Amino acid sequence: EDKVVQSPLSLVVHEGDTVTLNCSYEVTNFRSLLWYKQEKKAPTFLFMLTSSGIEKKSGRLSSILDKKELFSILNITATQTGDSAIYLCAVGGGADGLTFGKGTHLIIQP
Amino acid sequence: EPEVTQTPSHQVTQMGQEVILRCVPISNHLYFYWYRQILGQKVEFLVSFYNNEISEKSEIFDDQFSVERPDGSNFTLKIRSTKLEDSAMYFCASRVERVSSYEQYFGPGTRLTVT
Repeated sequence: EDKVVQSPLSLVVHEGDTVTLNCSYEVTNFRSLLWYKQEKKAPTFLFMLTSSGIEKKSGRLSSILDKKELFSILNITATQTGDSAIYLCAVGGGADGLTFGKGTHLIIQP
Repeated sequence: EPEVTQTPSHQVTQMGQEVILRCVPISNHLYFYWYRQILGQKVEFLVSFYNNEISEKSEIFDDQFSVERPDGSNFTLKIRSTKLEDSAMYFCASRVERVSSYEQYFGPGTRLTVT
């Protein structure tokens, strides 16, 4: 059974701090790892990672995948209150559906 | 920017009733999905649909569930006889067909409340 574990489950930081969110996985026939941001409703797509060691970057967010150690990290630098959300890690394996972790609930305090 | 849309945003139904949740995937996408998220729990995969048939389904997707693409734009999830435990947020998602493109784009969800 495919498995995705995220840590920490919740995190409270102050505006301007840098945070690192973790995702480890066990999956049959790994194809991709995806990060989503979930605010009130739909998960919104952030990154898709398929290759080890290649950093994906979008503004203050970046992510990297380690396929040997089976984990990924999502970094957010210079955090803002608008970054407060649940960050979801999901893995696509041999099956078509994504397997999600429980998410990291990130709260940015002013 | 194209997006997945879902209707209704909130549906309240009585136990035993049938409900149909509707989705309009992004227009050039060919893979369609339903997921659910029970309050406070993980997002869980229900079913994937490609080329007018189910390509994969999870253990959750039992005989009371069905999916359909009744026309060129809509994708529906039917729950035949709702139970209290079907109360959840139901998300539709879609993706393009390109082999290397696995990112799925999610709709805003339908909150289903079964009383």
